[in-house]
Amino acid sequence: QQQVRQSPQSLTVWEGGTTVLTCSYEDSTFNYFPWYQQFPGEGPALLISILSVSDKKEDGRFTTFFNKREKKLSLHIIDSQPGDSATYFCAASDTNAYKVIFGKGTHLHVLP
Amino acid sequence: AQTIHQWPVAEIKAVGSPLSLGCTIKGKSSPNLYWYWQATGGTLQQLFYSITVGQVESVVQLNLSASRPKDDQFILSTEKLLLSHSGFYLCAWSPDREQYFGPGTRLTVL
Repeated sequence: QQQVRQSPQSLTVWEGGTTVLTCSYEDSTFNYFPWYQQFPGEGPALLISILSVSDKKEDGRFTTFFNKREKKLSLHIIDSQPGDSATYFCAASDTNAYKVIFGKGTHLHVLP
Repeated sequence: AQTIHQWPVAEIKAVGSPLSLGCTIKGKSSPNLYWYWQATGGTLQQLFYSITVGQVESVVQLNLSASRPKDDQFILSTEKLLLSHSGFYLCAWSPDREQYFGPGTRLTVL
């Protein structure tokens, strides 16, 4: 079944802390996993992505981890900032990436 | 640099009225194009995708249709709006796997 489960639904962290968001999936044909950041009233912005041939990808304060055996992925944000407060979506697609399945999103609040 | 433009920015329409939303990509030839719908506070639901002019694939049926009349243009439409059509409509483009979203159109159906 094509489904992407994301948790938690909402998360509050203090400025400077580490944020961890997780997702799991079921379809073994999925091999591309992007993370998007969305601010209210705006379109989502691609934050970071990973292919199933990798287990880790870093981009500044953002790191995504991938566990193929467990069909899980996570996004870690170090030194979280109030400006990181947004909704984060994980997503998954297969080789063509024409059809993309999104998780339900995590609402992140970073308190100063 | 590529730019993506959606129009209108927002619409308020009556139930049963027609709708046409547009999306234009500049700076990239033959992009893959996508339409998504997002309920307030909800996830993104992919509606259509197109990999070439004149060809559109439907992902989910929501009494909507899409067309790609030009290489850089993607149109979402319906002849009769339902209350359930309210939400945020997003157009996206991709050169390969990565999808880049436009600013969206907020639709309110009354």
